[in-house]
Amino acid sequence: GAVVSQHPSRVICKSGTSVKIECRSLDFQATTMFWYRQFPKKSLMLMATSNEGSKATYEQGVEKDKFLINHASLTLSTLTVTSAHPEDSSFYICSARGWGGELFFGEGSRLTVL
Amino acid sequence: QQQVKQSPQSLIVQKGGIPIINCAYENTAFDYFPWYQQFPGKGPALLIAIRPDVSEKKEGRFTISFNKSAKQFSLHIMDSQPGDSATYFCAASMKDTGNQFYFGTGTSLTVIP
Repeated sequence: GAVVSQHPSRVICKSGTSVKIECRSLDFQATTMFWYRQFPKKSLMLMATSNEGSKATYEQGVEKDKFLINHASLTLSTLTVTSAHPEDSSFYICSARGWGGELFFGEGSRLTVL
Repeated sequence: QQQVKQSPQSLIVQKGGIPIINCAYENTAFDYFPWYQQFPGKGPALLIAIRPDVSEKKEGRFTISFNKSAKQFSLHIMDSQPGDSATYFCAASMKDTGNQFYFGTGTSLTVIP
């Protein structure tokens, strides 16, 4: 299947700092990427839909000023957690749809805010 | 409202057994139904998917059964192995690549040696 690469896989930061997570589709172009948050032993919670060249669409309850999403090219979307706090600690996963409609996920990024 | 309902929440089977995970959906506009396998600390991996024009699809030891009239689909794992121990998610979506996927709540499968 298609490959979606996510980086970094783990990040630890101090409270109040910002963290950027990158998501790349390695072998296909993705006009749409999705960002999820997953709590332990829970399902995937959609945070936002990232569209290349336009503003992201955020799900209800997700703070767009805290979770900045940029989809600058057909192969790269970034999620920046601004002014991170301990409650932002979580597992963040990106995904992209291939041309056949399949959804491929990145490896996930574990964020720990101290 | 949960668009896709998944059961059971957890499942324990002996090696060689056939675990079955069930999902149900409401939106008849859904036309793509994948299953994902997730190991701890990793992103979900696409396992197998089906479209509503067929009632069954097999890939290796994994089989999806699809019942369009009942709006249900299920995953069967033949000859299960301890390495199949993972969390499985069903999902549903519409064909347009801009549409989001709706996920079930997940099933934690444990295969005992």
